[in-house]
Amino acid sequence: EVQVVESGGGLVQPEGSLRLSCAASGFTFNYWLKWVRQAPGKGLEWVADINKDGSETYYVDSVKGRFTISRDNSINSLYLQMNSLRAEDTAVYYCVRDMGWNTFDIWGQGTMVTVSS
Amino acid sequence: QSGLTQPPSASGSPGQSVTISCTGTNSDVGGHNHVSWYQQRPGKAPKLMIYEVNKRPSGVPDRFSGSKSGNTASLTVSGLQAEDEADYYCSSHGGSKVFGGGTKLTVL
Repeated sequence: EVQVVESGGGLVQPEGSLRLSCAASGFTFNYWLKWVRQAPGKGLEWVADINKDGSETYYVDSVKGRFTISRDNSINSLYLQMNSLRAEDTAVYYCVRDMGWNTFDIWGQGTMVTVSS
Repeated sequence: QSGLTQPPSASGSPGQSVTISCTGTNSDVGGHNHVSWYQQRPGKAPKLMIYEVNKRPSGVPDRFSGSKSGNTASLTVSGLQAEDEADYYCSSHGGSKVFGGGTKLTVL
C-alpha cells in the first residue's frame, strides 16, 4: 500500500523545539515532498518543500530560519525540525507527496503540534 | 489572504449540481494547466479529486469534474450525495500561495 505516516507531534512550550518524521512505504521515494499544515478550524497552508535528493529546500516566509526540512532517502523518511515554536505554529502537520507541479496525491493522516504554555 | 480565491461556502440539494470556483492570476491558474482540487472531510486528511484541471485519479467518481476559463478554475459536483459534504481546496503551481482558502460544501 502506498502511504506516508507522520509522527513526532505533541505539546511543546513557546520557544521550544520538535522534530516531525514521516515514513514512506509502497512507492519509490523519488519525489518532491512537502509539509503542509492546518491550524484548528483554518485552511491548508504549505510549509516547506524538498527536492528529490535533498539539495533544494523552500519555506513559507513565516517559518524561514526556524524550521528545517530534510530527508533520508536510504530509509524513505522525511523530517521537519521545528525550533523557536510559536503559538501560531499550532496545527496538524501533513507529510505530502508531490507528483509534480504542486499536485499532491499522497497525504499522511497528520500529526498534531500544539504550542502552549 | 490567499492568492487563490474561493467562495467560503456552497450548497445544493441531493441530486443537484454545484460548482465551486477558484480565481487566481496569469502567474498561476491562468498560466498553465496544473490546477488540482482536494476534498477534506471532517477530521480527515485531504484527498486529491482532480488534477491538471480536469483529470480524475483512479477511484474518484465521475460526478466530479474540473474545468478552467482564463484565470478561474472550477470544480463541479454533479448528482450531489450526502457524502460529498466536505471542504474543498484548489491548488495551482506558481504564484505566492499554494492553496485556495477553501470552500465548505453543504448538502441540504
